[in-house]
Amino acid sequence: QVVLTQSPSASASLGASVKLTCTLSRGHSNSAITWHQQQPEKGPRYLMKVNSDGSHTRGAGISDRFSGSSSGAERYLTISRLQSEDEADYYCQTWGTGAWVFGGGTKLTVL
Amino acid sequence: QLQLQESGPGLVKPSETLSLTCSVSGASISSSGYYWGWIRQPPGKGLEWIGSIYDIGITYYNPSLKSRVTVSLDPSKNQFSLKLTSMTSADTARYYCARAPSAWFGDVLGYYFDYWGQGTPVTVSS
Repeated sequence: QVVLTQSPSASASLGASVKLTCTLSRGHSNSAITWHQQQPEKGPRYLMKVNSDGSHTRGAGISDRFSGSSSGAERYLTISRLQSEDEADYYCQTWGTGAWVFGGGTKLTVL
Repeated sequence: QLQLQESGPGLVKPSETLSLTCSVSGASISSSGYYWGWIRQPPGKGLEWIGSIYDIGITYYNPSLKSRVTVSLDPSKNQFSLKLTSMTSADTARYYCARAPSAWFGDVLGYYFDYWGQGTPVTVSS
């Protein structure tokens, strides 16, 4: 079964950019993933789908400050021009033979 | 605008069965072409998928919970439900419902969650 690995935490300054990483386990480097944002005390929100070729499709109403890219088994979420409301947990998710698989999440702190 | 709203008891006793309902507005769950799923999040932890149901009743369950989980549809009420038996303190979590459209994950057709409810807290305690 596919496993997704995320760093537990990341930080960046207000107005700067940050790149979060989600790594697919061996044998699954061809798979797409989706990114979800969970602000404090809120339900998750779908951000985008990122394909193995780096193409990405944002969800409805998602700012273009959020973009996706890929390299090998790594899938990235880049947030530009960081705002205070971007401080949140970010989860990646993929499909694994009849199962929805989540990464452990990355807590982003905006300094 | 699609909206999902979870409801159910906030407190369940150990060994009892949890029953939660997700009410969907803004779209019909019948013949929708989507999966409808349940996900939970223990306090301070990450997201764990529980189970999902297709609009014609096909289900997928997390293998670690499969023996205790049932997800069902009630098209007449535009709702779907979760039952989780033999509750323990390890099941204390916020429970979310969500819609899952299909997409290509590489060469495989899979599903992801695009609309989520706000979640409902469930505590297991005597």
